[in-house]
Amino acid sequence: DTGVSQDPRHKITKRGQNVTFRCDPISEHNRLYWYRQTLGQGPEFLTYFQNEAQLEKSRLLSDRFSAERPKGSFSTLEIQRTEQGDSAMYLCASSSGGTSTDTQYFGPGTRLTVL
Amino acid sequence: ILNVEQSPQSLHVQEGDSTNFTCSFPSSNFYALHWYRWETAKSPEALFVMTLNGDEKKKGRISATLNTKEGYSYLYIKGSQPEDSATYLCAFLSSGTSYGKLTFGQGTILTVHP
Repeated sequence: DTGVSQDPRHKITKRGQNVTFRCDPISEHNRLYWYRQTLGQGPEFLTYFQNEAQLEKSRLLSDRFSAERPKGSFSTLEIQRTEQGDSAMYLCASSSGGTSTDTQYFGPGTRLTVL
Repeated sequence: ILNVEQSPQSLHVQEGDSTNFTCSFPSSNFYALHWYRWETAKSPEALFVMTLNGDEKKKGRISATLNTKEGYSYLYIKGSQPEDSATYLCAFLSSGTSYGKLTFGQGTILTVHP
């Protein structure tokens, strides 16, 4: 299966620790998105990459959050000094980028629990 | 802030029942509407991308309609099966964005009882 993969699937951390998640998009997809879903809500947009360029960041992404996509392949999302409010499912998606209506293919997500 | 609402929030049906849910979205600046199915512990699965007013799409027992003038889409499941149990998400794409930044509804949780 060559779908979107995310690692780890689950992460439990203590408040104040740093965590990093990885997303491997579908090969040759040049658009990559990060979303966050909290309990009872739909996924919310966090940030978007076109190849290696980060083109937009949501206001939800505080200074403690940083995302990278070196060489336009996999992406990492780092949260520094985690807070309990960061507990959520972090989803990654990729698309081929031909048009803005292209299907976004999602990974299974990383569930973060901050104690 | 874009407002995308789904109803009902949750739904319990018996195997064999047909069911439908609603997604409401802004009727202005419409570009596309996506539907996803998200089963527990799996990746959200794309069902449909709808772009034209009056669009109807079908995939097996699942179908969807789109009314961009009044800002709603219906998802129908005919003859529900236990394997249809999932969260169904709709996501709105505004014409104001130049890429695929989706605004999701909160989802409808469907449980199909054998």
